[in-house]
Amino acid sequence: DAKTTQPTSMDCAEGRAANLPCNHSTISGNEYVYWYRQIHSQGPQYIIHGLKNNETNEMASLIITEDRKSSTLILPHATLRDTAVYYCIVRDVFSSGSARQLTFGSGTQLTVLP
Amino acid sequence: EAGVTQFPSHSVIEKGQTVTLRCDPISGHDNLYWYRRVMGKEIKFLLHFVKESKQDESGMPNNRFLAERTGGTYSTLKVQPAELEDSGVYFCASSPRQVPHGSYTFGSGTRLTVV
Repeated sequence: DAKTTQPTSMDCAEGRAANLPCNHSTISGNEYVYWYRQIHSQGPQYIIHGLKNNETNEMASLIITEDRKSSTLILPHATLRDTAVYYCIVRDVFSSGSARQLTFGSGTQLTVLP
Repeated sequence: EAGVTQFPSHSVIEKGQTVTLRCDPISGHDNLYWYRRVMGKEIKFLLHFVKESKQDESGMPNNRFLAERTGGTYSTLKVQPAELEDSGVYFCASSPRQVPHGSYTFGSGTRLTVV
């Protein structure tokens, strides 16, 4: 799986958009970009994933650059409960059978400030 | 549906003792994974079951760790004998056999402290 680079920490004001960047310059054509987060004392939680198109769900939006070498996770209206470590993970996905494990990096500690 | 359940939530044991962690995956999930985060480090993969079979145990740190998944339902992770460096949070995750994106569901983890 391709390596990812994320800032160690970021702050965001409550109610504002949180934009979390991720660099994955060695990503290959079959690799997806996944975002997970870990809120303190909980297990990691899936947020969103994408291949090359921008994606949006009820939690967040994912913007992937045209060359796919970087992406940005956007939390449109951050709340205090969004304070967590956010992980950008790049991985290939088996088309059938069982899926391989996730490789977590250091992630970005997002702190939402009141 | 019930999520992934891990027991106990916390465990404090002395060096040299044995501890067994349990994970109950979501019903019907064939894939079961163990991960751990030791103090100050990243979350690391330990092993992967497909039903009762070990698919990948490349992340198991040494032979003091033994994972089982009898009958393809719940799984246990035994540490015997425990060492100080085994302290950390142990997570379990499960997913269906055919894994739609994002179908990994993690438990809340077991915090193990070896003193």
